[in-house]
Amino acid sequence: KAGVTQTPRYLIKTRGQQVTLSCSPISGHRSVSWYQQTPGQGLQFLFEYFSETQRNKGNFPGRFSGRQFSNSRSEMNVSTLELGDSALYLCASSLDSPRETQYFGPGTRLLVL
Amino acid sequence: DQQVKQNSPSLSVQEGRISILNCDYTNSMFDYFLWYKKYPAEGPTFLISISSIKDKNEDGRFTVFLNKSAKHLSLHIVPSQPGDSAVYFCAASGSTDKLIFGTGTRLQVFP
Repeated sequence: KAGVTQTPRYLIKTRGQQVTLSCSPISGHRSVSWYQQTPGQGLQFLFEYFSETQRNKGNFPGRFSGRQFSNSRSEMNVSTLELGDSALYLCASSLDSPRETQYFGPGTRLLVL
Repeated sequence: DQQVKQNSPSLSVQEGRISILNCDYTNSMFDYFLWYKKYPAEGPTFLISISSIKDKNEDGRFTVFLNKSAKHLSLHIVPSQPGDSAVYFCAASGSTDKLIFGTGTRLQVFP
């Protein structure tokens, strides 16, 4: 069974630009969560999608948004990038809930200059 | 407001000895706790979990202890092996199901 895949793996953007990251969950998994990892802050929860609906949201500004498609693939978008958005963005999938075992992708490392 | 705290950013342990990683939480509504391990350039992988109805859960070399009154959990690794060197994250969940992660503890197991 293929694991969680994320594209692109690395990305360099400049302040003010926008970016879209993609996540393909494990086949059959309907819950997809996104996290931001920065040094000293651990993994911070961004949002979780289930059956194309945002089910939970973290404490991030509205510049961070996401969506899920009917095949469970998910995208997250960050608009008007700031230097502080530089981070590793991780996507994780599970069958129905983040409380079950989540399988993480390798992440997308975003650098904002 | 960090609801899940891992106050030790790093821990160094000799191979064969016990590693104890600690985690504190502030939200008494959390009822499910998990530990994940992360190697460099990889996503975290699930290690072990515990429900609030238990105070201990064991899986091979890994044991998680939960002290609800102290809002504290710990992960014990016995015996520690060099391959255990990684960053360990604890996470907690309540009624909303979303996971709140700690900041991580970097474990180094040396020969």
